[in-house]
Amino acid sequence: GNSVTQMEGPVTLSEEAFLTINCTYTATGYPSLFWYVQYPGEGLQLLLKATKADDKGSNKGFEATYRKETTSFHLEKGSVQVSDSAVYFCALSASQGAQKLVFGQGTRLTINP
Amino acid sequence: NAGVMQNPRHLVRRRGQEARLRCSPMKGHSHVYWYRQLPEEGLKFMVYLQKENIIDESGMPKERFSAEFPKEGPSILRIQQVVRGDSAAYFCASSPAGTALLYEQYFGPGTRLTVT
Repeated sequence: GNSVTQMEGPVTLSEEAFLTINCTYTATGYPSLFWYVQYPGEGLQLLLKATKADDKGSNKGFEATYRKETTSFHLEKGSVQVSDSAVYFCALSASQGAQKLVFGQGTRLTINP
Repeated sequence: NAGVMQNPRHLVRRRGQEARLRCSPMKGHSHVYWYRQLPEEGLKFMVYLQKENIIDESGMPKERFSAEFPKEGPSILRIQQVVRGDSAAYFCASSPAGTALLYEQYFGPGTRLTVT
C-alpha cells in the first residue's frame, strides 16, 4: 500500500541555520505530495505541494522538489526562524482521484534564538 | 470566514462510555474527512463523507466507530464503548470537492480524547 516515511525528530536548530527534513514515499502510479505544518494548539495547515515529477513546491521560504527517481520530497529552508518551530508532516494523495491523505509520522522542529 | 471548527477540544471518557466528536466544515465546503493521530504516530485516514453519504470508510475500525454528516448540522464521529486504545487526537478536515489532488483539505484544531 501507499506509505510515507519521514526523518525522525525532534530536530533542534539555531536561528538562521539551514533546514532539511527528509521524506520518502511508496506509492503506485503518480501521487501528489504535500507538506503540512502544525503549530502548537492548532490544526494542520498546507505549507506546499507538488503534483507531478520534478515540480517544486514553495512557500514562506520553504521548498520541496518532487523526485520520482528517488521517491523523495525533502523539505528545505535556507535560514530558519524561531517562528518556524512546529511539527511538519509529509503526506501523499494517490493518483486516480483519491480523496484521502496518507501522512508520515511528523517531525517536531525547534528553533532556538 | 471561519475555519473548520471542532468541539470539544478536549474530551475525557471512562472506559465503556460513548464519545461524540463534532466537526463543522468551512463555509461552502460539503466534503468532510476524519483522521486519527495516535501518540507518536502520524495522522491516519478514517472516513470521508459528503452530505448524507459515506464515500470511503476504509480506515474506520469495523466495530464501535461510526460517522455521519447530516443535511443540517455538523459531522459527528461517534465512538461507542470506548477503550484506552481509543485515546488519540481526532482531526477533521473539509474541502469544497472530493479529490485531494485538486483541492486543499483544511484542517480543524482537533479533539483530544482521553479514555481513563
